[in-house]
Amino acid sequence: EAGVVQSPRYKIIEKKQPVAFWCNPISGHNTLYWYRQNLGQGPELLIRYENEEAVDDSQLPKDRFSAERLKGVDSTLKIQPAELGDSAVYLCASSFFSANTGELFFGEGSRLTVL
Amino acid sequence: DAKTTQPPSMDCAEGRAANLPCNHSTISGNEYVYWYRQIHSQGPQYIIHGLKNNETNEMASLIITEDRKSSTLILPHATLRDTAVYYCTVINFGNEKLTFGTGTRLTIIP
Repeated sequence: EAGVVQSPRYKIIEKKQPVAFWCNPISGHNTLYWYRQNLGQGPELLIRYENEEAVDDSQLPKDRFSAERLKGVDSTLKIQPAELGDSAVYLCASSFFSANTGELFFGEGSRLTVL
Repeated sequence: DAKTTQPPSMDCAEGRAANLPCNHSTISGNEYVYWYRQIHSQGPQYIIHGLKNNETNEMASLIITEDRKSSTLILPHATLRDTAVYYCTVINFGNEKLTFGTGTRLTIIP
């Protein structure tokens, strides 16, 4: 069974350029998360979706970050324009919320380097 | 605010039991203790969780103190593949906001 799939795995861009990350969650999982992980730190939640609704986006920097989850399945996270401080690993995770469990399944992440 | 406290690093000899402590002194009655680990260049992986009883699965055991203010994750026979960062976290299902601290970097020594 396929896990959470993310692409691209690596992305190098210059500052002020746009970038987008894509995530396909595990089939049947209605909750999707985007986390950002800076070097040497634990992951930090950016946004959580239940189906297609963003139920927690309080940590998403809305001036340059946007996310969408059309049809409640796969999702994209966009940064425009990117800044040097955005260099990090962007992790997508999914879970089946109704199971009332905190077990999240993570993808391998997308490593962003902003030059 | 950090809800859990873990030592930044630990070493353990291969084949021995690895005991990873976690303090969560402000845990509330409806919060579960969860453990994840993150192997280099991979996303975090769920290990185990518990409320107040000790738990065991094929990966590890979780020992929660009676007052629930601390817990210990036990890897009974550590292998080199257990080298990873281990995160202890607490979660209230009504909130569903899983937060991570900086974790414990466990190194298994051959």
